[in-house]
Parts: sequence; C-alpha cells; structure tokens
Amino acid sequence: KAGVTQTPRYLIKTRGQQVTLSCSPISGHRSVSWYQQTPGQGLQFLFEYFSETQRNKGNFPGRFSGRQFSNSRSEMNVSTLELGDSALYLCASSLGQAINYGYTFGSGTRLTVV
Amino acid sequence: DQQVKQNSPSLSVQEGRISILNCDYTNSMFDYFLWYKKYPAEGPTFLISISSIKDKNEDGRFTVFLNKSAKHLSLHIVPSQPGDSAVYFCAASRTDSSYKLIFGSGTRLLVRP
Repeated sequence: KAGVTQTPRYLIKTRGQQVTLSCSPISGHRSVSWYQQTPGQGLQFLFEYFSETQRNKGNFPGRFSGRQFSNSRSEMNVSTLELGDSALYLCASSLGQAINYGYTFGSGTRLTVV
Repeated sequence: DQQVKQNSPSLSVQEGRISILNCDYTNSMFDYFLWYKKYPAEGPTFLISISSIKDKNEDGRFTVFLNKSAKHLSLHIVPSQPGDSAVYFCAASRTDSSYKLIFGSGTRLLVRP
C-alpha cells in the first residue's frame, strides 16, 4: 500500500511569506501528526489531528496552524515566515493513538526561508 | 526543556562490533519508549519499542534496555553492519494521554567496514 505522501518535497520561500504543506496519510489511517526537524533539535511536535479534530498541539507560535480534511489528508500552514522556520517538516500517520499502532512517517518537506 | 536527551551526537563503530546508543528522559510519567532510524532524504522508520513494564525487548540484532530508576534506555545493535549507518532517535510517550511522541535530538551512527 502507498506510504505517507508529503508535497512538495522542497520549497524555498522569502521571509514574511506564508506556506502550505500537504500530507496524505496511509489509506485507513485517521491520525496525522506533524513534526519539525532542525539540526541538533531532533523532532519537535507541532500538532496532531484525528478525524478532523486537533487533539494536541506543541509549543509553537500561532503562526503555525494545521487542519485535517474528511479524507484524513492534512495541511499545515506557516504564516509570516522567519529564517528560523527553515527545517524539515515531517508528517506521520497512524490508525489511532500513535503509541498502540505506531507512526509511519513521510519523507518530509524541506523548507528553506531566505 | 528537553524531556528526552541523547547526549552523544555521533558514534563510530567497526563492522561486526556492538553499537550502543543511549537515551535519558526526565519525565517519570513516560511509559512507552521507541527507537526510530532515519536515513538522509527519508522519513524516520520505526525500529523497536519497549513498554515500561519491561526492562528488555529484543528483535533480531536490535535490543532495547530500559532502566526506569535511572530514567535511561539504550539500544544495542549486534553485530553492527554498514547499512546500520543512520541517525537514531529515541522517543517517549505517555500512553494515557497526549497522543504525541517526544523525541531526542538524535545520534548519528557510522559503522565502518
């Protein structure tokens, strides 16, 4: 079966712009989580959605937002981009609670803010 | 406030020898721990996990040990192979809540042929 698909793979944006990243989970998976990976910081949790509802949110400013559609596809949006937002953004999907069923990660979207 | 710490950013071992990757955590409420492996340009892939009711879990060449009193876990790879060269992340969670994993900063393992 198809894995987690993230688009686009690479993105270059200018400071102050906004960006939308997309994630299509594995078919049948209803939970989608987003993480930011930066060098030396590991993976920082952004938010998690289940059946179109945000169940948990990490410690990121309000410029970071997300949503999930009825087909479980998810988008995250970053407004007023800053240089520090340059990172690899990873999406992960699971059947339900990640701990019981395991996460499957996509390959990520590499965002560069210039 | 790093609740999960991997204090060694890198590790180099000879092929065939044992690789030991370490991870410490501070939140005593964590009760489930996982290891992920990540190759460049790919997302992390699940490797092995352990529940806090156990102190050891083994899967082939990979064994995870958990020392709850020390809030420490380790991943042993025996024997190490060049294909094991990757970044390894440990992660922790509370199964009663939160629906999220807290990751460490990763350890880059290089297995020399």
